[in-house]
Amino acid sequence: GQNIDQPTEMTATEGAIVQINCTYQTSGFNGLFWYQQHAGEAPTFLSYNVLDGLEEKGRFSSFLSRSKGYSYLLLKELQMKDSASYLCAADGTGFQKLVFGTGTRLLVSP
Amino acid sequence: DAGVTQSPTHLIKTRGQQVTLRCSPKSGHDTVSWYQQALGQGPQFIFQYYEEEERQRGNFPDRFSGHQFPNYSSELNVNALLLGDSALYLCASSPGPGQGGRTGYNEQFFGPGTRLTVL
Repeated sequence: GQNIDQPTEMTATEGAIVQINCTYQTSGFNGLFWYQQHAGEAPTFLSYNVLDGLEEKGRFSSFLSRSKGYSYLLLKELQMKDSASYLCAADGTGFQKLVFGTGTRLLVSP
Repeated sequence: DAGVTQSPTHLIKTRGQQVTLRCSPKSGHDTVSWYQQALGQGPQFIFQYYEEEERQRGNFPDRFSGHQFPNYSSELNVNALLLGDSALYLCASSPGPGQGGRTGYNEQFFGPGTRLTVL
């Protein structure tokens, strides 16, 4: 089967650092995606990992461990506009048939 | 450069009716995927079209069907609507095989979605 697990909700304060974890079990694996989705809007791409290690992109970083079926998204210097849902998704087929988790709703407070 | 567009934005139907949703992919993309996102859930893969054929399908019944046109735009049709079909329907486009990006993967760009309400 295929399963993606991530926390339902997290809270943090402006300027802080937050780490959103994701564990996955898929029959195949061709990469792990993170998307940001504001309420009522479409998901927007944040990062992609296919090899083990950390990928850094500005305030956002994403980590992958293939052997553990584990990824995390790290958000630094949090801003109010970072309040959104963060979706973890695995590509099991290599043809962008993404399996999404339920999303982690992040609330950033002043 | 226009991104992924979808129409209509919102739609209200009653049980048993049929609905057609439309999607135009980002310029240069030839692969279109459709997802259903229920409230509070992550998107679920419905199917994917490439070269006017359904290439992959998720766990959705035959009531869900689609089409891709020569200009790569796509339609999603749902017959015999059920209350449980109420959701945000997202279209995502990506470059197909041979069009792979410089990063080695094909990022999916999502459209704004169509909010379907079934009463």
